[in-house]
Amino acid sequence: GAGVSQSPSNKVTEKGKDVELRCDPISGHTALYWYRQRLGQGLEFLIYFQGNSAPDKSGLPSDRFSAERTGESVSTLTIQRTQQEDSAVYLCASSLAGGQPLHFGNGTRLTVT
Amino acid sequence: LAKTTQPISMDSYEGQEVNITCSHNNIATNDYITWYQQFPSQGPRFIIQGYKTKVTNEVASLFIPADRKSSTLSLPRVSLSDTAVYYCLVGLFHNNNDMRFGAGTRLTVKP
Repeated sequence: GAGVSQSPSNKVTEKGKDVELRCDPISGHTALYWYRQRLGQGLEFLIYFQGNSAPDKSGLPSDRFSAERTGESVSTLTIQRTQQEDSAVYLCASSLAGGQPLHFGNGTRLTVT
Repeated sequence: LAKTTQPISMDSYEGQEVNITCSHNNIATNDYITWYQQFPSQGPRFIIQGYKTKVTNEVASLFIPADRKSSTLSLPRVSLSDTAVYYCLVGLFHNNNDMRFGAGTRLTVKP
């Protein structure tokens, strides 16, 4: 079956521009996570959605970062006024009803020039 | 949330058994232990999960002592294709919870 799909796979943007990253989770997965992974580093938790509950935004690094999810489907991560330090791979994962195991997409590689 | 500690890197040779240990001293009663594998340019992939004692699947074994304060991922007879970063994750399985990863262990398998 289809796995977690992320788009675009690569994004190059100029400093100061806004970007939107998309995640299509596995159908039926109620939990959705966003992570950031800088080159050679581990995964940094950003935000967590579970069904219709209020999202856990505790990992968002600044107010330039926001995310939305429509019901139990698509999620969009938005970064406003991008900075060079935002350059990283942004990974999305989904799972059944929260918890594990997580199913990851292959990420969006964001480069801010 | 239980914090995890793993070695930053490990080297091995083809055909050897590799054991990667993860420490999680403040693991909670209901926490499960899960290991993920990540290749370059890919998202992490689930390997194995356990709660106590030993779990084995077609890829690996997971050993968890009685106190559950650590766990060991065992990869039998590694090959070059097992070169990857391995993450240990501790958290709740059935409850809503954010999954926070540690830094992982970079395993390099040499010929």
